[in-house]
Amino acid sequence: RKEVEQDPGPFNVPEGATVAFNCTYSNSASQSFFWYRQDCRKEPKLLMSVYSSGNEDGRFTAQLNRASQYISLLIRDSKLSDSATYLCVVRGGQSGGSNYKLTFGKGTLLTVNP
Amino acid sequence: GAGVSQSPSNKVTEKGKDVELRCDPISGHTALYWYRQSLGQGLEFLIYFQGNSAPDKSGLPSDRFSAERTGGSVSTLTIQRTQQEDSAVYLCASSLQGARTEAFFGQGTRLTVV
Repeated sequence: RKEVEQDPGPFNVPEGATVAFNCTYSNSASQSFFWYRQDCRKEPKLLMSVYSSGNEDGRFTAQLNRASQYISLLIRDSKLSDSATYLCVVRGGQSGGSNYKLTFGKGTLLTVNP
Repeated sequence: GAGVSQSPSNKVTEKGKDVELRCDPISGHTALYWYRQSLGQGLEFLIYFQGNSAPDKSGLPSDRFSAERTGGSVSTLTIQRTQQEDSAVYLCASSLQGARTEAFFGQGTRLTVV
């Protein structure tokens, strides 16, 4: 099983649609969780951290289910500018308490169409 | 304040030659990561430095790859006897210590082996 697995995509949605990304991780000792966004031919940038209680930032909502080792990202009222690759990221859980290695999923490409 | 700086931004080299890629992390960041990303693919972990701890080298694909971090700051990734399959974008990121801290990426070095 891969360390971090995401929906393969791609997703093509019209403006205003709601889109959900799913991610699972294999290491139950993982310590923290993030969604990053990567625009074409650019470096990844943090979109939001994911907390156990779930968290929201404007149109974006992230959820974490530790029991199921599952992370999700919901984008409401999608905009053209949301078109990008969304990367699920898991940190830590390796041997040695101070190893905070970041492991990335392969990403899901989202295209929002006018 | 400056972000993560990588050099060169582009490198074309002949098969069999050695290359050195440089990463200058954000000042004060004790964690430094190297990843590579082939065209259309996800981020592949290479190596992770955390303070004075032994680096996590578990992602280095072969003994042709090595990295060092001098004085806890600048890092150099060296690829010896380059092969065509080494062609990729090499991304460096840095962060403060801790599980929940954001990792910031440089813009990458695009390596082409001809």
